[in-house]
Amino acid sequence: DIQMTQSPSSLSASVGDRVTITCQASQDISNYLNWYQQKPGKAPKLLIYDASNLETGVPSRFSGSGSGTDFTFTISSLQPEDIATYYCQQYDNLTFGPGTKVDIK
Amino acid sequence: QVQLVQSGAEVKKPGASVKVSCKASGYTFTGYYMHWVRQAPGQGLEWMGWINPNSGGTNYAQKFQGRVTMTRDTSISTAYMELSRLRSDDTAVYYCAREIAVAGGVRNDYWGQGTLVTVSS
Repeated sequence: DIQMTQSPSSLSASVGDRVTITCQASQDISNYLNWYQQKPGKAPKLLIYDASNLETGVPSRFSGSGSGTDFTFTISSLQPEDIATYYCQQYDNLTFGPGTKVDIK
Repeated sequence: QVQLVQSGAEVKKPGASVKVSCKASGYTFTGYYMHWVRQAPGQGLEWMGWINPNSGGTNYAQKFQGRVTMTRDTSISTAYMELSRLRSDDTAVYYCAREIAVAGGVRNDYWGQGTLVTVSS
């Protein structure tokens, strides 16, 4: 089975900061990676699919990149409403990474 | 608009079974796989499996093989997830999530609101 790791597990940043999260797969997954946002008590929300494609309606401050085994998720300017846990997901049975909790400093 | 509406919270005793429903609307139910994902309190997302509503075919995560059964009723556009021999560590929020597959890409684009299942003696 393909294993996913994410780093950091949590981070604290100021409003307006650039935030970067990485996700690493245990083997080559091409660009078969999605990113989700989950706010407390809510269902996950798809933000990025196929590593770099922005889901319709998602603000452009969110972006993704990478292929193979190494992927990056970026919030270009952190907003208060971005406080959430972010998960990567790979296509091999759609398993998820362990998550990165983002909060405001 | 696409909606997935799940059944309400459940409290079960260890060893019992639970069946969670997920009613779909706003799209052709048989045209999209349905996945089930769970989240234990304070933990991450755990994929459980999927069902093809058109054929009834299923694919379960190895961890749940033998304990989980996913079914559907196409006449009412509803998917079901039944988990048997419940243990305390099955306490979690259970989500259904529609799969969209386009040009080789696969993702969960719509999610239910979640169903809390509590297993306690």
